[in-house]
Amino acid sequence: GQNIDQPTEMTATEGAIVQINCTYQTSGFNGLFWYQQHAGEAPTFLSYNVLDGLEEKGRFSSFLSRSKGYSYLLLKELQMKDSASYLCAVKWNTGFQKLVFGTGTRLLVSP
Amino acid sequence: DGGITQSPKYLFRKEGQNVTLSCEQNLNHDAMYWYRQDPGQGLRLIYYSQIVNDFQKGDIAEGYSVSREKKESFPLTVTSAQKNPTAFYLCASGGWDSNQPQHFGDGTRLSIL
Repeated sequence: GQNIDQPTEMTATEGAIVQINCTYQTSGFNGLFWYQQHAGEAPTFLSYNVLDGLEEKGRFSSFLSRSKGYSYLLLKELQMKDSASYLCAVKWNTGFQKLVFGTGTRLLVSP
Repeated sequence: DGGITQSPKYLFRKEGQNVTLSCEQNLNHDAMYWYRQDPGQGLRLIYYSQIVNDFQKGDIAEGYSVSREKKESFPLTVTSAQKNPTAFYLCASGGWDSNQPQHFGDGTRLSIL
């Protein structure tokens, strides 16, 4: 199957660092996206990884290990507005950009 | 500004009724998608279309239908055969370059009266 696993919920404190993990089946893997979604709103794109390593974008970074079927999203200097769900989505070699989404990790940032 | 517009934002369906959700994009994207989101679950793919006049079933197509008569438009009909239609419906579009992200509309929340 094309299972994707993420923790359901995480909590952290304003100003702290949090790491959200995502694991997936490696066979046929062809890229991984991270999206942020505030409640009742559209998901917005955060990052894309297809090669091993770390991609940094300001306070957000995303890491990928293809051989381990593992990615994480790292959020630094947490702000209250970072309270949202974070969706991991994987693209497999289907010949077309069809994504499979994890259930999402709900992050609650407290003062 | 370029983007994806979904309407209406909220929709109510009576028993036995078909309802249609609108999705329009001006991003010049070839591919369009419909997802359903339920509490505690990830986005699940209903239908997708790679090009005008062509569309494919996703993972949960039963009880839904779509059309793609124009590049900009990909309406979704929730038929009476869909017995549990209450959900948040998201439309997305993307270009041919599969390394580029899909862009999402603001969603339609469908409820049963």
